[in-house]
Amino acid sequence: QKEVEQNSGPLSVPEGAIASLNCTYSDRGSQSFFWYRQYSGKSPELIMFIYSNGDKEDGRFTAQLNKASQYVSLLIRDSQPSDSATYLCAVNPYGQNFVFGPGTRLSVLP
Amino acid sequence: EAGVAQSPRYKIIEKRQSVAFWCNPISGHATLYWYQQILGQGPKLLIQFQNNGVVDDSQLPKDRFSAERLKGVDSTLKIQPAKLEDSAVYLCASSPEGAGWGQETQYFGPGTRLLVL
Repeated sequence: QKEVEQNSGPLSVPEGAIASLNCTYSDRGSQSFFWYRQYSGKSPELIMFIYSNGDKEDGRFTAQLNKASQYVSLLIRDSQPSDSATYLCAVNPYGQNFVFGPGTRLSVLP
Repeated sequence: EAGVAQSPRYKIIEKRQSVAFWCNPISGHATLYWYQQILGQGPKLLIQFQNNGVVDDSQLPKDRFSAERLKGVDSTLKIQPAKLEDSAVYLCASSPEGAGWGQETQYFGPGTRLLVL
């Protein structure tokens, strides 16, 4: 079983700060990486995906991928209370289906 | 564009009973997934369909779970008989055809919350 690991949290940050969420994966053959946000009692919604090493920015969100170290991270700039949710990392090993991590709970304090 | 539809939203049954969930994907999406999400965990894939064919059911407990996708559109997931450990949210997701391995963007439905007593 391919593994995806995340700190369960909760990760608490003050409003306006940068939240940093990390994810590590075990399969070196993994080729695509996704971040989903899940509000309590709701279904996951895609924030962004990344395929190549380096950074990918989308608004206040930046995904960072380092395949050599087998980690992917999500930075949320200017964190807002509405960003409080569980963030799921999903990894798609080559030729295989998605494996989701357990998620990190983020709490943005006003 | 309408999203992924699921029903029922909530279901409470006793152990050893049977239950069925229904999913209608986004129009035109060829790939359909069923996930099980236990409280505090990430979603776990149960089965993936491409049109009406099964692509991956390696994690489906086939002694009690079954799924079908007739005509390549909507799908049903059945549990018979249910166990206490089946209490979870069952999520259906769909993705467009042709994205290929490793590039599918999945769109999730609202889920069905199952409680087995």
